[in-house]
Amino acid sequence: AQTVTQSQPEMSVQEAETVTLSCTYDTSENNYYLFWYKQPPSRQMILVIRQEAYKQQNATENRFSVNFQKAAKSFSLKISDSQLGDTAMYFCAFMPSAGTASKLTFGTGTRLQVTL
Amino acid sequence: NAGVTQTPKFRILKIGQSMTLQCTQDMNHNYMYWYRQDPGMGLKLIYYSVGAGITDKGEVPNGYNVSRSTTEDFPLRLELAAPSQTSVYFCASSSAGTWGGEQYFGPGTRLTVT
Repeated sequence: AQTVTQSQPEMSVQEAETVTLSCTYDTSENNYYLFWYKQPPSRQMILVIRQEAYKQQNATENRFSVNFQKAAKSFSLKISDSQLGDTAMYFCAFMPSAGTASKLTFGTGTRLQVTL
Repeated sequence: NAGVTQTPKFRILKIGQSMTLQCTQDMNHNYMYWYRQDPGMGLKLIYYSVGAGITDKGEVPNGYNVSRSTTEDFPLRLELAAPSQTSVYFCASSSAGTWGGEQYFGPGTRLTVT
């Protein structure tokens, strides 16, 4: 079974600054997908960014980018130019590429507070 | 498209009562999922379905039942509610055959069992 660990329960960043959220995972699989989901106070789960393990290039989506280190099983999220609207819980998630139904395993989350 | 809808948004149950959480998606997705999120924790998979008539257990299925009679609907049944089932429940769906495809989540149902 896979496990996902987020070791930072809470983080704070000032508006316009950069912050990095950490995630490590454990798996014996070679091919898989990794995700970062955002959960604002509204509770809605929103996909932020996705990484395919067989791609060496780190994924980017506007102000969001990842640092994917496959050998170290590390998948951190960098948020640049932080905005107040980035305040949310952030969850790292793992999806195996084999098997049925594209099931996700989530970490416990990091609560990010963006301040003025 | 409405995406994934869930009803009710909130519910308080007494110990031993039963209820059904409704989930509907209008994206013609084959895959559907039920997760629960306990306070301060990530989401854990309860049950999932790969198509109408096919369901399977996830990580935490005890105390729950599901059915999938149509592509659109995936209700979650709680029998004999217990305080340990106090949680926020999320339904999600995704497209079959697209490995690594995005799961689309509903807004959640906050359930309290007292």
